[in-house]
This record gives sequence, C-alpha cells and structure tokens, in this order.
Amino acid sequence: ETGVTQTPRHLVMGMTNKKSLKCEQHLGHNAMYWYKQSAKKPLELMFVYSLEERVENNSVPSRFSPECPNSSHLFLHLHTLQPEDSALYLCASSQDLAGGWDEETQYFGPGTRLLVL
Amino acid sequence: GIQVEQSPPDLILQEGANSTLRCNFSDSVNNLQWFHQNPWGQLINLFYIPSGTKQNGRLSATTVATERYSLLYISSSQTTDSGVYFCAVKVEGGSEKLVFGKGTKLTVNP
Repeated sequence: ETGVTQTPRHLVMGMTNKKSLKCEQHLGHNAMYWYKQSAKKPLELMFVYSLEERVENNSVPSRFSPECPNSSHLFLHLHTLQPEDSALYLCASSQDLAGGWDEETQYFGPGTRLLVL
Repeated sequence: GIQVEQSPPDLILQEGANSTLRCNFSDSVNNLQWFHQNPWGQLINLFYIPSGTKQNGRLSATTVATERYSLLYISSSQTTDSGVYFCAVKVEGGSEKLVFGKGTKLTVNP
C-alpha cells in the first residue's frame, strides 16, 4: 500500500459515455498528478496540481477534464473518448513539487485500466 | 525536450544473479527517480537520486550528473524483482514535469 488509492480499478466504456476516475491520497501531500501509460510507450504526464491549483497541462485533449476539489482528492472526468485512449491511468502524489528527496518523491496508486470500445 | 534512454530494454536472469540497468539523459537534471512497476501495474519508488550513490538492501543506485547517466544495481536477484524498471528525470530550470524512460523489463526465473 502506497497511501494512494484509485477507483475504479477497471473500466470499460463506449465512445459516447461519460465516466470519472477517482484518486485519493492519505499522505497529507500537496501535489497530485495524472499519468497515462499506453502499451509500448513511456508514462506520459497529463496534469499536475499543487495545492488544488493546476500547474501543468501537458497538451491533453479536452475530452479529459481534471478536477481537484481538495488536496486529498483528484478526479479525471472522461467524455467522448476514442479507442486510442485505452490505457492504464495512474495517479500519483508528492509532498510538494520541489525541495528535494522528501518533497519530490512520487507515490503512485494502483491505476485504472481503461478500455474504450 | 529531454531524452531519457534506458538499457537494456529487456533482461532475463536466473535467480541469484546480479544485474546493472542504465539510464542516460540528454540534459542537466535536478531530480532523478527510479521506479519498479510490478506485473500488476503498481509503481513503487525505489530511489530519489539526482546525484551520488544510495543503497537500499539488495538495490543500489549511482547517478553521475556531470556525465548524464544513472545506474541501478540489483544483487542476488529474486523472482519478486521481476517487472519493469523506470528512470524518470526533471530538467534543471524546466517545468515540473517528470519525464520517464521506456523502461527495462526484467524477468527473474527460478
């Protein structure tokens, strides 16, 4: 257990559906991240939040919409996805964005395996 | 952007063997982390090591920042070491983005 949980663990959705992924961290961290991991590709950073403010948006299509209501929770709202969006979506948290080992070490959740039909 | 290259891409070992995984990066970094992803997808942070050497049990890592590479050593490998090892870096003076390499897939056979 890393202290970061994600739900659901598996999700199958059609291209016209709307769904949300949830991430919760129990570590008292200030920064949270969404990553996408596709087959045969490196992990791609999607969004970064620090103290509930988005600080990085890595040219992600608008069909992915993040929400950070507080420093412990992070959501990824999905709508009108494409089959190529099928991937493992990983959430992570760190104490802060900068400051060294204790602050920057990232802790990952178990991921949500998404299949878009 | 920064390039992060890991080698070898695949590695197969017998239990008990030692191995060295390499990560080369193309720019100065102020953050380098090694992760292990198990076969079920869980990523675990192994080391935060932008420079110097650290050891944790059978694992150790060395980063030579001036030469832009890092090494992860696994000694007396066990089947539970199987999975994918990722190196990730953050560019000095750049964004907050952690850039990952493609990983080394390690298989340890009994």
